[in-house]
Amino acid sequence: SSELTQDPAVSVALGQTVRITCQGDSLRSYYATWYQQKPGQAPVLVIYGKNNRPSGIPDRFSGSNSGNTASLTITGAQAEDEADYYCSSRDSSGNPFGSGTKVTVL
Amino acid sequence: QVQLQESGPGLVKPSQTLSLTCTVSGGSISSGAYYWTWIRQHPGKGLEWIGYIYYTGRTSYNPSLKSRVTMSVDTSKNNFSLKLNSVTAADTAVYYCAREEVLSRSHWFDPWGQGTLVTVSS
Repeated sequence: SSELTQDPAVSVALGQTVRITCQGDSLRSYYATWYQQKPGQAPVLVIYGKNNRPSGIPDRFSGSNSGNTASLTITGAQAEDEADYYCSSRDSSGNPFGSGTKVTVL
Repeated sequence: QVQLQESGPGLVKPSQTLSLTCTVSGGSISSGAYYWTWIRQHPGKGLEWIGYIYYTGRTSYNPSLKSRVTMSVDTSKNNFSLKLNSVTAADTAVYYCAREEVLSRSHWFDPWGQGTLVTVSS
């Protein structure tokens, strides 16, 4: 089971901003990492560390951390951002992944 | 850039051993900066960390799978492997290998292999 909690699903209108949250005690000590997964594909790293984007990830993706909550914000969501998003954190309990949030772009 | 590719049987019979190999290209598995990881995803479900192996052979496994998991590394072939014994239908999943990097307050998996579906069925 996951020690990181995510909302199962959120929706956002095309071009608007959406925030995906992740809660867990480990986030008080460690930054969250975020992955995007589209159907039939492997997860892709989108945010790591304090708020770092790998090469090729658009700057509309950003991350933040406060207390036991981490957030991934998509500013100006595009149709291609429709996907599942997973948070992850260093965790000694066994599974470092959150349960995932399905983002629908309307 | 570094690429990972899983290989192994797509069908395993119940009670037998699932065996997969991940071949690393574009970089050395012996780099001390990374951990080499297996992650799985049950159909329609979330991600589950199975464990990692360091190039020295040091391992760490998910406690829920620890009794059935063995990982190994072959630095000469630049690959690492997963064995999961006594499989049941509950082990049917897409299995990914990935490279893990760790810093003091963060870790991340990148890149990932494309994943391979393993079905447990007689």
